[in-house]
Amino acid sequence: AQSVTQLGSHVSVSEGALVLLRCNYSSSVPPYLFWYVQYPNQGLQLLLKYTSAATLVKGINGFEAEFKKSETSFHLTKPSAHMSDAAEYFCAVRGHNGFGNEKLTFGTGTRLTIIP
Amino acid sequence: ETGVTQSPTHLIKTRGQQVTLRCSSQSGHNTVSWYQQALGQGPQFIFQYYREEENGRGNFPPRFSGLQFPNYSSELNVNALELDDSALYLCASSSGDKIPQNTQYFGPGTRLTVL
Repeated sequence: AQSVTQLGSHVSVSEGALVLLRCNYSSSVPPYLFWYVQYPNQGLQLLLKYTSAATLVKGINGFEAEFKKSETSFHLTKPSAHMSDAAEYFCAVRGHNGFGNEKLTFGTGTRLTIIP
Repeated sequence: ETGVTQSPTHLIKTRGQQVTLRCSSQSGHNTVSWYQQALGQGPQFIFQYYREEENGRGNFPPRFSGLQFPNYSSELNVNALELDDSALYLCASSSGDKIPQNTQYFGPGTRLTVL
C-alpha cells in the first residue's frame, strides 16, 4: 500500500521568496510520485512526476522536486514565488506493477498563499 | 489534441435521487479513473476502467457504479444519493497499455451538491 503525507495544510510566502512544499511518502514498492496543482474551481494539472529516472525533476512554471529515498521525501520547490502560484498543491503516489494504470493516492493538499 | 472533458460542470440533487456524470477521455487514452474530492480534502479513488472493464475499486459502496464505452468515454452513476456525496468528482484518463511511466490527466470536474 502507498500513502503520502503533506506537512503543512497552509503555507504563505512573500512574492519573490522561495517556495517549499513538503511531501513524504510510504510505499512497499519503488514509487512513482507526482505533484498536481489545483486552481479554484478547477481540476488538477500535472506539475511534474518522478518515474525512477533522474532524482531531480523539473516541471512546469519553474517548479522542481527532488526524490530522496533515504528520507522518503519528494518536496516541491520554486526559487521565486509569483502571485499566480497561489493555489492548492497535491502530492500523489502510485505503485507500479508494469501495467502503469494503478490508482493515485493523494495527500490532503497544501494551500499556498502568496503575499504581495 | 483534445483534453479530458466532463459534463455537467455543476449539478444539484436531493437525497435519494440518482445521478450520472460523464467523462470523455483524452485522445489515445484507454483508461479512465474516477475520484471524489470532498471539500478541503485530497481526491479519493473511486474506481478505474480499462478497455471497458472495471480495473480496480476504492472503498466506495456498490451504489457507486460505472461504465466505459467502446470509444473509452465513461460514466459514473451514483444511486440513493446521500448528503455526504456532495463533492467534486474528477475524471482522469491515461494510457494503460503496460507503460509504467504513464500519467493520469484530469478533467475540470463535476461539482455535485446533494440537498
